[in-house]
Amino acid sequence: NAGVTQTPKFRILKIGQSMTLQCTQDMNHNYMYWYRQDPGMGLKLIYYSVGAGITDKGEVPNGYNVSRSTTEDFPLRLELAAPSQTSVYFCASSYLEGGNYGYTFGSGTRLTVV
Amino acid sequence: QQQVKQSPQSLIVQKGGISIINCAYENTAFDYFPWYQQFPGKGPALLIAIRPDVSEKKEGRFTISFNKSAKQFSLHIMDSQPGDSATYFCAPNTGTASKLTFGTGTRLQVTL
Repeated sequence: NAGVTQTPKFRILKIGQSMTLQCTQDMNHNYMYWYRQDPGMGLKLIYYSVGAGITDKGEVPNGYNVSRSTTEDFPLRLELAAPSQTSVYFCASSYLEGGNYGYTFGSGTRLTVV
Repeated sequence: QQQVKQSPQSLIVQKGGISIINCAYENTAFDYFPWYQQFPGKGPALLIAIRPDVSEKKEGRFTISFNKSAKQFSLHIMDSQPGDSATYFCAPNTGTASKLTFGTGTRLQVTL
């Protein structure tokens, strides 16, 4: 099983450009998440989804948009990129089984905005 | 409002020693207490987790100790190995949506 796959792994954007970070999972998990990780910091939740067609804001949603048309895919859209969005972005998915909330993370997308 | 405080920020331990990382939380509704391990260039991975109905859980060299009254839980790594060198995050959470609140991380370095 591939788990959670993120593309691209690296990207450099110019200020004002837009891009979509792709995330797909093959575990049939209902819950999916986008986090950003700044150097030396923990992960902050950007957006999450509890199922296809349902999304909600996390802690730091400004400057981002998401959609969830299928169970497998949860793309993150950056509009008008800003230097403050330079970060490592992680997509994750989770299940609820016996009260255990197991998260599976992708390997991340390192984004630099210049 | 900072709900999760993790300490120390960094830790250097000799091979064979014990590594201890602490996590303090404020939200009494948290009902699942995991530790995640992250290697450079990788996403975090679930290492070990505990439910509040037990005070300790051991998996191999890794042990979680949980103190409900103090709202704290800790990760103990026995016989620490260089391969344990990574960043560790606590991430207590609650509810079916399970939005993780991460600690700021502890960078562990195990020296030879």
